[in-house]
Amino acid sequence: NAGVTQTPKFRILKIGQSMTLQCTQDMNHNYMYWYRQDPGMGLKLIYYSVGAGITDKGEVPNGYNVSRSTTEDFPLRLELAAPSQTSVYFCASSYSSGARGGGYTFGSGTRLTVV
Amino acid sequence: DQQVKQNSPSLSVQEGRISILNCDYTNSMFDYFLWYKKYPAEGPTFLISISSIKDKNEDGRFTVFLNKSAKHLSLHIVPSQPGDSAVYFCAAITSGAGSYQLTFGKGTKLSVIP
Repeated sequence: NAGVTQTPKFRILKIGQSMTLQCTQDMNHNYMYWYRQDPGMGLKLIYYSVGAGITDKGEVPNGYNVSRSTTEDFPLRLELAAPSQTSVYFCASSYSSGARGGGYTFGSGTRLTVV
Repeated sequence: DQQVKQNSPSLSVQEGRISILNCDYTNSMFDYFLWYKKYPAEGPTFLISISSIKDKNEDGRFTVFLNKSAKHLSLHIVPSQPGDSAVYFCAAITSGAGSYQLTFGKGTKLSVIP
């Protein structure tokens, strides 16, 4: 199925551990995004990319890193996990900037718990 | 400071009746607004959008109304169906070069009762 694929779906980390959340899309979208959603809150932008080799910070980038070596893949790295990073993480992509043309396509999310 | 506010965390509506979900925004630079629908354990899916040059956009059972002077938009679902039960997010963006960040509200959980 075409779309945005995120792995893993669930993960439990211990404080101080590292992990990479994987995101890949097969729609040839230039724009990709990482959001987090905390309970009872809206989605907040962590990082985004406007094309391969180009990334930039969003609203809540601290504690995360990203890379974009190909159009398809946009992994999110947590270096030293903290309980404040317990959240549901969504990757999204879009054909154009500004969310026009039907908006973003989201993955199904990764539920991360840091204990 | 929340720039997009959905003040009703939840809403229950009888099947066949109208559902009205509300959204307020504070940033007057926002000029494009979107609604997303989210089922449990799934990512949000795009539902409908509206540009600030319009005051209404309709797509089947879904209509979005925009009142720029009041900085208010609403999503109407008529008639409501049990499959519409989900969390609905309002989102906004400022168009233009270099604009990539959608700002989301906290969401409203809609329950349509059969």
